[in-house]
Amino acid sequence: EPEVTQTPSHQVTQMGQEVILRCVPISNHLYFYWYRQILGQKVEFLVSFYNNEISEKSEIFDDQFSVERPDGSNFTLKIRSTKLEDSAMYFCASSEFGGAPEKLFFGSGTQLSVL
Amino acid sequence: GQQLNQSPQSMFIQEGEDVSMNCTSSSIFNTWLWYKQDPGEGPVLLIALYKAGELTSNGRLTAQFGITRKDSFLNISASIPSDVGIYFCAGQFRTGTASKLTFGTGTRLQVTL
Repeated sequence: EPEVTQTPSHQVTQMGQEVILRCVPISNHLYFYWYRQILGQKVEFLVSFYNNEISEKSEIFDDQFSVERPDGSNFTLKIRSTKLEDSAMYFCASSEFGGAPEKLFFGSGTQLSVL
Repeated sequence: GQQLNQSPQSMFIQEGEDVSMNCTSSSIFNTWLWYKQDPGEGPVLLIALYKAGELTSNGRLTAQFGITRKDSFLNISASIPSDVGIYFCAGQFRTGTASKLTFGTGTRLQVTL
């Protein structure tokens, strides 16, 4: 069964450093998302991406964050200057259709620890 | 912003017991979903609900979309050890062209033998 793949599974970085989290969405999917989950809390929407541009973003997704689809298979989340409060599990998700939430598939996540 | 509150926060039950959890919102949603999350994994969809009043089953799981569109419940019958995990409700109001979901606070389920 096709799945969303995220790398790395764990990332440790120093405060102020840039990190790039990588995702390979399911191959025929057109809509891509990043969510995050701070330890013990709920999953929160960060950004949605379609047709090479951001469709919607939350207030969490400030100027320190950016997303990119550098080639036909990868979808990345960059945090330019990490802060302690960026420590969280980051989930990538993809869907074939934009308006069908039941078609949204999540990856296993990247655990980001900012020291 | 939209808030989804789940209750209970956690449950400890014995294998074979039935489980009920619910989710209430301060806002109306057009779609409700229930997800299960295992440790270190991403959320996995269990049930999706599309119409107010809709009752849907998936094996031992049953979920309903509240008439007011501001609440939903999930029942698990005859629980088994692999039901252990965190259960999240999520709502979608449908904005733009992408499926932005608002997640609930989660119910942690522990099943004892």
